[in-house]
Amino acid sequence: EDQVTQSPEALRLQEGESSSLNCSYTVSGLRGLFWYRQDPGKGPEFLFTLYSAGEEKEKERLKATLTKKESFLHITAPKPEDSATYLCAVRRGSNSGYALNFGKGTSLLVTP
Amino acid sequence: NAGVTQTPKFQVLKTGQSMTLQCAQDMNHEYMSWYRQDPGMGLRLIHYSVGAGITDQGEVPNGYNVSRSTTEDFPLRLLSAAPSQTSVYFCASSRTSGGANEQFFGPGTRLTVL
Repeated sequence: EDQVTQSPEALRLQEGESSSLNCSYTVSGLRGLFWYRQDPGKGPEFLFTLYSAGEEKEKERLKATLTKKESFLHITAPKPEDSATYLCAVRRGSNSGYALNFGKGTSLLVTP
Repeated sequence: NAGVTQTPKFQVLKTGQSMTLQCAQDMNHEYMSWYRQDPGMGLRLIHYSVGAGITDQGEVPNGYNVSRSTTEDFPLRLLSAAPSQTSVYFCASSRTSGGANEQFFGPGTRLTVL
């Protein structure tokens, strides 16, 4: 059975204090690992898709990396506006089509 | 482009009532899906569709019906609402070809069943 585990559940950082969020997964036939950002009361907003081990993608202060067992979302010099819940999801190749299996998320708070 | 739109934003039902949550997208996406999000549970797939006239069950389909008569619309029907269906519901859509299959989410419908 597919499993997606995110850690930590919650993270509090000071502005400028870099850190990483972890997403470990077990899935047969990975067809993509996705990172989303979710602000309170809103729908998830797409950030990145990673397809193969060694792949990296960057967007502003965020950088996502992928290995065969986990993905990291690195946040460099975060700002208060980076505060949100970050969701990780995997898509597998099977009869389930394009369904995503989500982790429970990491709630990030960046204080000034 | 409006992207993925959902109505209503908030709804309160009594146990046993029925209702339809609306979802529409204007990106000509083939794939559409419904998730529910509960505290401590993450997003869970209810139903999905890979094109007009084609639907299938996800992880938690009981108590919900869907249909897909057009590419744009994918309504979710609650047949007889139960307190266990109190949740936030998200509709999502994506392409099914071309490599970039990221799903785009709507703003959600917050449903309370009393």
